[in-house]
Amino acid sequence: GDSVTQTEGQVALSEEDFLTIHCNYSASGYPALFWYVQYPGEGPQFLFRASRDKEKGSSRGFEATYDKGTTSFHLRKASVQESDSAVYYCALGSSNTNKVVFGTGTRLQVLP
Amino acid sequence: EAAVTQSPRSKVAVTGGKVTLSCHQTNNHDYMYWYRQDTGHGLRLIHYSYVADSTEKGDIPDGYKASRPSQENFSLILELASLSQTAVYFCASSRDNERLFFGHGTKLSVL
Repeated sequence: GDSVTQTEGQVALSEEDFLTIHCNYSASGYPALFWYVQYPGEGPQFLFRASRDKEKGSSRGFEATYDKGTTSFHLRKASVQESDSAVYYCALGSSNTNKVVFGTGTRLQVLP
Repeated sequence: EAAVTQSPRSKVAVTGGKVTLSCHQTNNHDYMYWYRQDTGHGLRLIHYSYVADSTEKGDIPDGYKASRPSQENFSLILELASLSQTAVYFCASSRDNERLFFGHGTKLSVL
């Protein structure tokens, strides 16, 4: 079935560091790909999406590019801030089953 | 802004008891989802629905039932709660299976 893999469980950075969180997916066809962010005590919030090869999604300084060749949608940010500390989820929307499948999440801690 | 309301916000249940978690959305969305969140597993899909009076099994449906009596309401039912069902449960809605709007979650503790 469709799946999403996030290899980093936790990431610790200092302010102004460059961020990369890896996301790889397995699905047939062209699933929509998403990034969500979750702050403590809240539900996940939509960050951005992409739905076709080479499309870039972005929001709040975060970006990711849909790469069908490597089945990836890695999250990047050039300069993180302490307020970016949160859990980040990669997800896909199946074009066959109407499911939305999430990865295991990556906890980002940004130290001042 | 889309609104998804879950009730209760937290619940303590006894093993073997029946638990019902409720979700109400005012977004006029067709799709609704139930996920559970556990450390190390992220968000896992339990049940979902894309039309009233119909539900679909997600990836981990065993031990759970779902009910969608109207477009606005989607319930998750644990007929015989077990210790392993202690988790945080999130409901979400969407216009299609694209951008999801989540509730604040229900923290369930089964003792």
